Amino acid sequence: AQKVTQAQTEISVVEKEDVTLDCVYETRDTTYYLFWYKQPPSGELVFLIRRNSFDEQNEISGRYSWNFQKSTSSFNFTITASQVVDSAVYFCALSAYMDSNYQLIWGAGTKLIIKP
Amino acid sequence: GAGVSQSPSNKVTEKGKDVELRCDPISGHTALYWYRQSLGQGLEFLIYFQGNSAPDKSGLPSDRFSAERTGGSVSTLTIQRTQQEDSAVYLCASSSPSGGVWSYEQYFGPGTRLTVT
Repeated sequence: AQKVTQAQTEISVVEKEDVTLDCVYETRDTTYYLFWYKQPPSGELVFLIRRNSFDEQNEISGRYSWNFQKSTSSFNFTITASQVVDSAVYFCALSAYMDSNYQLIWGAGTKLIIKP
Repeated sequence: GAGVSQSPSNKVTEKGKDVELRCDPISGHTALYWYRQSLGQGLEFLIYFQGNSAPDKSGLPSDRFSAERTGGSVSTLTIQRTQQEDSAVYLCASSSPSGGVWSYEQYFGPGTRLTVT
């Protein structure tokens, strides 16, 4: 079965703390894609990153970093020195083959609250 | 360049009425997706269009829901005989996939908040 689990429903930290959002996925495919999206209070989902299953290199973009580990089927997202503007709901998603077709499976989202 | 736009931003309608929600994708994007997001919930896939192919309607919750895409650009999602459980934010996204439609990032519009009273 294809599945994405974001076990953390809500995380609250104080500004400048580092925070990691967990994403664990299940798939039988060898070729798949993983995504992270941010949904700020305004509601518009914003694409953050796309990673294919053959590229396990970690990625850093400013204060954001992603740790992809196939051995644990995880694609975790870390925000360093968090800021109030990082407050949002973050979704992890998996594109994989299911029922004779590719589908995009979304996690339930993690609500991140950054307190000033 | 312009992003995905949706109209109206808010729609309040009475139960039993029909509504039309519009999505204008990013110019040149061949794939267009509709999702529904209930309050505090994740995304529920409704339908997608890719180029001239027949749309994938597998996510539409009932036959009261339909969508069309004219000229490979603007799309309209129609909900007939609205029910209170249709209340949600309806999100549209577009992408420019060079391969599978689900393998590339999507760009989302601001959504239409539908309230059925």
